[in-house]
Amino acid sequence: GAGVSQSPSNKVTEKGKDVELRCDPISGHTALYWYRQSLGQGLEFLIYFQGNSAPDKSGLPSDRFSAERTGGSVSTLTIQRTQQEDSAVYLCASSFHAPGTGSYEQYFGPGTRLTVT
Amino acid sequence: GENVEQHPSTLSVQEGDSAVIKCTYSDSASNYFPWYKQELGKGPQLIIDIRSNVGEKKDQRIAVTLNKTAKHFSLHITETQPEDSAVYFCAASSNDYKLSFGAGTTVTVRA
Repeated sequence: GAGVSQSPSNKVTEKGKDVELRCDPISGHTALYWYRQSLGQGLEFLIYFQGNSAPDKSGLPSDRFSAERTGGSVSTLTIQRTQQEDSAVYLCASSFHAPGTGSYEQYFGPGTRLTVT
Repeated sequence: GENVEQHPSTLSVQEGDSAVIKCTYSDSASNYFPWYKQELGKGPQLIIDIRSNVGEKKDQRIAVTLNKTAKHFSLHITETQPEDSAVYFCAASSNDYKLSFGAGTTVTVRA
């Protein structure tokens, strides 16, 4: 079946502009995650959505970053007033079971490469 | 918060040889340790994971070992093949969802 999809695949924006990145999780997955991967680095947790619970936003690096998940499915990560240090690959993942139920695998999308000039 | 260190950053092995990647973690509450493989242009994919109540887990040519006392865990790939060439990430979590990743190991298998 279809995996996690993200759009756009690449985004070039000027410093100071706002950007929106989209994630379509696997149908039926209850949990959705956003990560940031800087060049040559590991993945940095940004935010986690689980069902109707309040999201865990503890990884968002500044108040310029926000995310929402509408209808328990599609999610949008918004970066306002982009800075050059925001340049990175932004990865989205989804998983089927809630934590504690025995299934933990996160399925990742291909990512959106953001370049801020 | 959790800090995961991963070594080596690059690893080149001859086809058929074994590859070993090691990670250490700082949070003694961590109890879930997945390993992900990332191929060029793709998102990471889970290849094996281990819970803290298990010391070792195998899946065909891949095995993971965990030493909770020393707070380190390792990935072992035996009989390496060219398709094993990729970037491998270890991760640790104390709550099943918030993964802290290592910086990654670029594995190159020489034919």
